[in-house]
Amino acid sequence: KAGVTQTPRYLIKTRGQQVTLSCSPISGHRSVSWYQQTPGQGLQFLFEYFSETQRNKGNFPGRFSGRQFSNSRSEMNVSTLELGDSALYLCASGGGQGNSQETQYFGPGTRLLVL
Amino acid sequence: EDQVTQSPEALRLQEGESSSLNCSYTVSGLRGLFWYRQDPGKGPEFLFTLYSAGEEKEKERLKATLTKKESFLHITAPKPEDSATYLCAVPAAYSGAGSYQLTFGKGTKLSVIP
Repeated sequence: KAGVTQTPRYLIKTRGQQVTLSCSPISGHRSVSWYQQTPGQGLQFLFEYFSETQRNKGNFPGRFSGRQFSNSRSEMNVSTLELGDSALYLCASGGGQGNSQETQYFGPGTRLLVL
Repeated sequence: EDQVTQSPEALRLQEGESSSLNCSYTVSGLRGLFWYRQDPGKGPEFLFTLYSAGEEKEKERLKATLTKKESFLHITAPKPEDSATYLCAVPAAYSGAGSYQLTFGKGTKLSVIP
């Protein structure tokens, strides 16, 4: 089975711009979660989508948004970029069978640099 | 508030020198504890899930154990290729059944010197 894929892998933007990141989960998985990873804060939960609905949202400003499509692929968008948004953005997919003990599998991440 | 604390922050071992990494957590109603390995510039790679106190799981030179308040990742006779950051995570208590929201520790950066 193919793993979680994320595109693009690297991105350079300037302050004030917006960016869209894409994630394709493992085939058959219905849950997609997004995390931000920075050296200072570690991995922090952004939001989770299941069957095209946002199920949970972390403590991030409204500039961070996402969506999920009927094929389970997900996108996240960051508007009005700030320098502090520079981070590794990770997507994780899970089976979404209703058991919170199920494993999430992570993609390789998108490295975003905001100048 | 859920908290996951890992120690030490960094660990430097000689090849073959066994040691343990610690993950302590405060979360009500633990629904599993996950260990991941992360290499620089890559996404976390799943290692283990532990569900209840007393449970142990092994994979090659790694063994994970779980108590009611903490988990240990024991590394036996490590090799340089075991060098990575090891992360532990728990499902957020408030995230509801079926949700995948994880709270992560900051990780332990392991360096194994030949």
